[in-house]
This record gives sequence, structure tokens and C-alpha cells, in this order.
Amino acid sequence: NAGVTQTPKFQVLKTGQSMTLQCAQDMNHEYMSWYRQDPGMGLRLIHYSVGAGITDQGEVPNGYNVSRSTTEDFPLRLLSAAPSQTSVYFCASSYSGRGARVGPLHFGNGTRLTVT
Amino acid sequence: GENVEQHPSTLSVQEGDSAVIKCTYSDSASNYFPWYKQELGKRPQLIIDIRSNVGEKKDQRIAVTLNKTAKHFSLHITETQPEDSAVYFCAAPWGNQFYFGTGTSLTVIP
Repeated sequence: NAGVTQTPKFQVLKTGQSMTLQCAQDMNHEYMSWYRQDPGMGLRLIHYSVGAGITDQGEVPNGYNVSRSTTEDFPLRLLSAAPSQTSVYFCASSYSGRGARVGPLHFGNGTRLTVT
Repeated sequence: GENVEQHPSTLSVQEGDSAVIKCTYSDSASNYFPWYKQELGKRPQLIIDIRSNVGEKKDQRIAVTLNKTAKHFSLHITETQPEDSAVYFCAAPWGNQFYFGTGTSLTVIP
């Protein structure tokens, strides 16, 4: 099992550009989520999904879009990049989803994004 | 949403001493409390977790205690070693969302 795979590892964008961060998991997890990590602020939830076809907003959703067309994939789209979106982005999955009790998160290796 | 507070933000201990990190949460319905360790440049990884039907759980040198009445839970690391140096995060759920503490940077001095 590869676990949770994120691509790319690093990305530099100019202000206003758009891009998609990819996340895939091979554990048949129902639950997938995106976090951003900034110094001194811990991990903050951007968007999450409890199963294919279902997405919802987290704590800091503005400027980001997600979709969940398959159980395996959960891409994060930056619509118009801003310097405030410079951060490390982590995708995480869990077996808990619709109707199942919450369980531990499995994280990908992260994407370091810089917006200039 | 859930309000998770974590203290201290930094902690230095001598090798062999114990380290304790504490988190408080606000939602009395929260019932699952994980701890993650993140080494520099790496992803967070689960080290121990506890559900609300128990008060303590141990795994070798690591233990977590939970006080549901006071709404706090703590990570205890005994006989610390240099490889325990990392940032530790607590988390608590609010529905389907996990809220994380702001992290504790632990340094174990050889």
C-alpha cells in the first residue's frame, strides 16, 4: 500500500495563477481532507469529504475548491493564488466516513506551495 | 467549531526525563483524542489515541490521559530520548472535522 500520495512536492505560483494539488489514497478510506500548516498555527482544515460525491467546508475554505468523484482521489484547486496561500498543504484520509465512528488520520507527505 | 488549546508551545527536557503536554477542548460531545508527532520536514504521524470510554492508555514510553469532566487530555513521554525531539499535535473532533492544537516543539537534550 502506498497510503496517501500527494503531488507535487513543491510548487511556486505567481499571484493570480490557478493550480490543482493532487491527493490519492489506496486504503479504501471513506474520509478525506485537506489541511494547511502555517508556522505557529497548527493544522487548519480547508475542506473535507465523507465519501464520493460529498464535500464540505472546513475552517478556512475561502480561495479553495474540492471535488470527490471517486473514493480514491480528492484534488484541491486554488482558483486564483494569493501570497496568503503560501503554506504547506497536507491531505489526510481516514476509514471513518458516513455512519462510522471517527478514527485516526493518515497524512500524505505534503505539498510546499509558494505564491509570489 | 471545536476550540483546542495546547500547552506549552515549546518544551526542553534532559534525556531520560519525562515530558508532559496538555490539551483542552471545548465540545463535551468529543469522544476521540489523537496525538500526532511531526519531525522536521515530514508529515504528522499518529503516535497514540484514546477514546472517551477510557481514562488512560499506554504504549511503551508513551501514555495519554483523559479527563472528560475537565475537558482536557495529556500526552506523557517517559525516559525521553533524542529521537523524541519533534513537534507534537493534539486534536479533537467536532462532527466530521478534526481541530488541531497549535503544537508543542519538544527538544530532548542529550
